[in-house]
Amino acid sequence: DVQMTQSPSSLSASVGDRVTLTCRASQSITIYLNWYQQRPGKAPKLLLYGASTLEGGVPSRFSGAGSGTDFTLTIASLQPEDFATYYCQQSALAPYTFGQGTRLDIK
Amino acid sequence: QVQLQESGPGLVKPSETLSLTCAVSGGSFIHYQWAWIRQPPGKGLELIGYIYSSGITVYNPSLKSRLTISVDTSKDQFSLNLRSVVAADTAVYYCARVRVGGFSYLWFDPWGQGMLVTVSS
Repeated sequence: DVQMTQSPSSLSASVGDRVTLTCRASQSITIYLNWYQQRPGKAPKLLLYGASTLEGGVPSRFSGAGSGTDFTLTIASLQPEDFATYYCQQSALAPYTFGQGTRLDIK
Repeated sequence: QVQLQESGPGLVKPSETLSLTCAVSGGSFIHYQWAWIRQPPGKGLELIGYIYSSGITVYNPSLKSRLTISVDTSKDQFSLNLRSVVAADTAVYYCARVRVGGFSYLWFDPWGQGMLVTVSS
Protein backbone atom coordinates (compact mmCIF):
# COMPACT_ATOMS: atom_id res chain seq x y z
CA ASP A 1 0.00 0.00 0.00
CA VAL A 2 1.07 3.61 -0.57
CA GLN A 3 1.85 5.16 2.81
CA MET A 4 0.86 8.79 3.21
CA THR A 5 2.73 10.74 5.88
CA GLN A 6 1.55 14.17 6.97
CA SER A 7 3.60 16.70 8.87
CA PRO A 8 3.40 18.18 11.31
CA SER A 9 0.92 16.02 13.18
CA SER A 10 -0.31 19.15 14.94
CA LEU A 11 0.23 22.84 14.54
CA SER A 12 -0.78 25.92 16.53
CA ALA A 13 -1.33 29.16 14.67
CA SER A 14 -3.18 32.46 14.94
CA VAL A 15 -5.95 34.03 12.92
CA GLY A 16 -4.36 35.75 9.93
CA ASP A 17 -1.32 33.49 9.81
CA ARG A 18 -0.16 31.76 6.66
CA VAL A 19 0.35 28.05 7.21
CA THR A 20 1.65 25.21 5.06
CA LEU A 21 0.86 21.56 5.71
CA THR A 22 2.85 18.76 4.10
CA CYS A 23 1.89 15.32 2.77
CA ARG A 24 4.46 12.83 1.54
CA ALA A 25 3.76 9.60 -0.36
CA SER A 26 5.91 6.48 -0.03
CA GLN A 27 6.10 6.29 -3.84
CA SER A 28 5.21 8.54 -6.73
CA ILE A 29 1.51 9.30 -7.08
CA THR A 30 2.02 11.98 -9.77
CA ILE A 31 -0.77 14.48 -8.99
CA TYR A 32 -3.45 12.07 -7.72
CA LEU A 33 -3.69 13.71 -4.32
CA ASN A 34 -6.73 15.16 -2.59
CA TRP A 35 -7.13 17.25 0.56
CA TYR A 36 -10.02 17.18 3.06
CA GLN A 37 -10.92 19.30 6.07
CA GLN A 38 -12.59 17.73 9.09
CA ARG A 39 -14.05 19.88 11.82
CA PRO A 40 -14.64 18.25 15.25
CA GLY A 41 -17.61 15.89 15.20
CA LYS A 42 -18.21 16.41 11.49
CA ALA A 43 -17.58 14.46 8.33
CA PRO A 44 -14.59 15.31 6.15
CA LYS A 45 -15.15 17.89 3.45
CA LEU A 46 -13.31 17.95 0.13
CA LEU A 47 -11.06 20.99 -0.36
CA LEU A 48 -8.86 20.20 -3.34
CA TYR A 49 -8.39 17.38 -5.84
CA GLY A 50 -5.69 16.61 -8.36
CA ALA A 51 -3.16 18.20 -6.00
CA SER A 52 -4.09 21.78 -6.88
CA THR A 53 -7.67 22.08 -8.15
CA LEU A 54 -9.93 23.89 -5.72
CA GLU A 55 -13.34 22.32 -5.19
CA GLY A 56 -16.23 24.65 -5.97
CA GLY A 57 -17.24 26.84 -3.04
CA VAL A 58 -13.92 26.45 -1.21
CA PRO A 59 -12.34 29.82 -0.35
CA SER A 60 -9.41 30.90 -2.49
CA ARG A 61 -7.16 31.25 0.57
CA PHE A 62 -6.69 27.46 0.25
CA SER A 63 -4.18 26.27 -2.32
CA GLY A 64 -2.38 23.05 -3.10
CA ALA A 65 0.87 22.20 -4.83
CA GLY A 66 3.21 19.34 -5.52
CA SER A 67 3.68 16.25 -7.63
CA GLY A 68 5.39 12.91 -7.35
CA THR A 69 5.82 12.26 -3.64
CA ASP A 70 5.71 15.70 -1.98
CA PHE A 71 2.63 17.88 -1.63
CA THR A 72 1.59 20.94 0.30
CA LEU A 73 -1.64 22.56 1.40
CA THR A 74 -1.34 26.28 2.14
CA ILE A 75 -3.88 28.46 3.87
CA ALA A 76 -3.00 32.04 3.03
CA SER A 77 -4.66 33.82 5.95
CA LEU A 78 -6.19 31.65 8.65
CA GLN A 79 -9.80 32.29 9.55
CA PRO A 80 -11.50 31.02 12.74
CA GLU A 81 -13.41 28.37 10.80
CA ASP A 82 -10.16 26.90 9.42
CA PHE A 83 -9.10 25.39 12.74
CA ALA A 84 -9.69 21.71 12.02
CA THR A 85 -7.88 18.52 11.03
CA TYR A 86 -6.66 18.16 7.46
CA TYR A 87 -6.18 14.86 5.63
CA CYS A 88 -4.54 14.02 2.35
CA GLN A 89 -5.64 11.02 0.25
CA GLN A 90 -4.02 9.39 -2.77
CA SER A 91 -5.86 7.81 -5.68
CA ALA A 92 -2.93 6.69 -7.82
CA LEU A 93 -2.78 3.13 -6.52
CA ALA A 94 -5.40 0.95 -4.85
CA PRO A 95 -6.14 0.63 -2.02
CA TYR A 96 -6.55 4.39 -1.87
CA THR A 97 -5.04 5.61 1.37
CA PHE A 98 -5.24 8.63 3.64
CA GLY A 99 -2.62 10.38 5.69
CA GLN A 100 -2.93 10.36 9.45
CA GLY A 101 -3.97 14.00 9.53
CA THR A 102 -2.63 17.36 10.68
CA ARG A 103 -4.55 19.01 13.49
CA LEU A 104 -4.55 22.81 13.27
CA ASP A 105 -5.25 24.53 16.58
CA ILE A 106 -5.68 28.12 17.63
CA LYS A 107 -2.59 29.53 19.35
CA GLN B 1 -27.86 18.67 -3.69
CA VAL B 2 -27.06 15.06 -2.93
CA GLN B 3 -27.28 13.92 0.67
CA LEU B 4 -26.23 10.65 2.29
CA GLN B 5 -27.48 9.16 5.55
CA GLU B 6 -26.09 6.12 7.35
CA SER B 7 -28.30 3.86 9.45
CA GLY B 8 -27.96 0.66 11.42
CA PRO B 9 -27.16 -0.66 14.89
CA GLY B 10 -24.72 1.36 16.97
CA LEU B 11 -23.60 -1.64 19.01
CA VAL B 12 -22.45 -5.00 17.70
CA LYS B 13 -21.14 -7.96 19.68
CA PRO B 14 -17.73 -9.45 18.93
CA SER B 15 -17.79 -12.19 16.26
CA GLU B 16 -21.11 -10.92 14.89
CA THR B 17 -21.82 -8.99 11.67
CA LEU B 18 -21.82 -5.22 11.40
CA SER B 19 -24.53 -4.09 8.96
CA LEU B 20 -25.07 -0.52 7.80
CA THR B 21 -27.11 1.08 5.05
CA CYS B 22 -26.58 4.40 3.31
CA ALA B 23 -29.57 6.16 1.78
CA VAL B 24 -28.85 8.62 -1.01
CA SER B 25 -31.19 11.46 -1.91
CA GLY B 26 -31.23 14.60 -4.01
CA GLY B 27 -29.16 13.44 -6.96
CA SER B 28 -28.41 10.76 -9.49
CA PHE B 29 -27.60 7.38 -7.97
CA ILE B 30 -26.86 5.17 -10.96
CA HIS B 31 -24.20 7.42 -12.49
CA TYR B 32 -21.83 7.25 -9.54
CA GLN B 33 -19.87 4.85 -7.38
CA TRP B 34 -20.48 4.74 -3.64
CA ALA B 35 -17.98 4.20 -0.84
CA TRP B 36 -17.68 3.20 2.79
CA ILE B 37 -14.91 4.83 4.86
CA ARG B 38 -14.25 4.41 8.57
CA GLN B 39 -12.46 6.32 11.31
CA PRO B 40 -11.57 4.69 14.64
CA PRO B 41 -11.97 7.07 17.59
CA GLY B 42 -9.19 9.65 17.58
CA LYS B 43 -7.54 8.14 14.51
CA GLY B 44 -7.32 8.59 10.76
CA LEU B 45 -9.45 7.51 7.83
CA GLU B 46 -9.52 4.11 6.12
CA LEU B 47 -11.26 3.30 2.84
CA ILE B 48 -13.30 0.12 3.31
CA GLY B 49 -14.43 -0.25 -0.28
CA TYR B 50 -16.78 1.05 -2.92
CA ILE B 51 -19.40 -0.19 -5.34
CA TYR B 52 -20.61 0.73 -8.79
CA SER B 53 -24.36 0.98 -9.35
CA SER B 54 -23.92 -2.12 -11.54
CA GLY B 55 -22.81 -4.04 -8.45
CA ILE B 56 -19.11 -4.25 -9.21
CA THR B 57 -17.14 -3.88 -6.00
CA VAL B 58 -13.65 -2.75 -5.06
CA TYR B 59 -12.59 -3.80 -1.56
CA ASN B 60 -9.67 -2.90 0.66
CA PRO B 61 -7.59 -6.10 0.69
CA SER B 62 -7.14 -5.83 4.45
CA LEU B 63 -10.90 -6.30 4.94
CA LYS B 64 -11.86 -8.26 1.84
CA SER B 65 -12.26 -11.65 3.54
CA ARG B 66 -14.91 -10.27 5.91
CA LEU B 67 -16.59 -7.72 3.68
CA THR B 68 -19.64 -7.47 1.47
CA ILE B 69 -20.87 -4.22 -0.06
CA SER B 70 -24.13 -4.36 -2.00
CA VAL B 71 -26.37 -1.92 -3.82
CA ASP B 72 -30.13 -1.51 -4.27
CA THR B 73 -30.75 0.87 -7.16
CA SER B 74 -34.54 0.65 -6.68
CA LYS B 75 -34.12 2.36 -3.31
CA ASP B 76 -31.05 4.52 -4.06
CA GLN B 77 -29.14 2.90 -1.26
CA PHE B 78 -26.12 0.74 -0.63
CA SER B 79 -25.07 -1.43 2.27
CA LEU B 80 -22.07 -2.68 4.21
CA ASN B 81 -21.73 -6.05 5.91
CA LEU B 82 -18.56 -6.70 7.92
CA ARG B 83 -18.42 -10.18 9.42
CA SER B 84 -16.66 -11.51 12.51
CA VAL B 85 -16.09 -8.11 14.04
CA VAL B 86 -13.60 -7.40 16.80
CA ALA B 87 -13.02 -4.41 19.04
CA ALA B 88 -10.64 -2.89 16.47
CA ASP B 89 -13.62 -2.49 14.12
CA THR B 90 -15.08 0.12 16.47
CA ALA B 91 -15.21 3.31 14.42
CA VAL B 92 -17.30 6.04 12.92
CA TYR B 93 -18.49 4.64 9.60
CA TYR B 94 -19.06 7.10 6.78
CA CYS B 95 -20.67 6.59 3.41
CA ALA B 96 -19.61 8.86 0.58
CA ARG B 97 -20.08 9.44 -3.12
CA VAL B 98 -17.11 8.58 -5.33
CA ARG B 99 -16.24 11.18 -7.92
CA VAL B 100 -13.90 10.34 -10.75
CA GLY B 101 -12.19 12.63 -13.22
CA GLY B 102 -10.50 10.26 -15.60
CA PHE B 103 -7.27 8.26 -15.24
CA SER B 104 -6.65 8.03 -11.50
CA TYR B 105 -8.54 11.10 -10.42
CA LEU B 106 -10.83 9.79 -7.67
CA TRP B 107 -12.09 11.50 -4.56
CA PHE B 108 -14.92 11.29 -2.05
CA ASP B 109 -17.59 13.99 -2.00
CA PRO B 110 -19.96 14.48 -0.32
CA TRP B 111 -19.94 12.37 2.83
CA GLY B 112 -22.70 11.26 5.14
CA GLN B 113 -22.65 12.56 8.70
CA GLY B 114 -21.16 9.31 9.97
CA MET B 115 -22.31 6.72 12.45
CA LEU B 116 -20.41 5.40 15.45
CA VAL B 117 -20.47 1.63 15.67
CA THR B 118 -19.08 0.10 18.84
CA VAL B 119 -18.02 -3.53 19.00
CA SER B 120 -18.52 -4.74 22.55
CA SER B 121 -20.20 -7.50 24.47
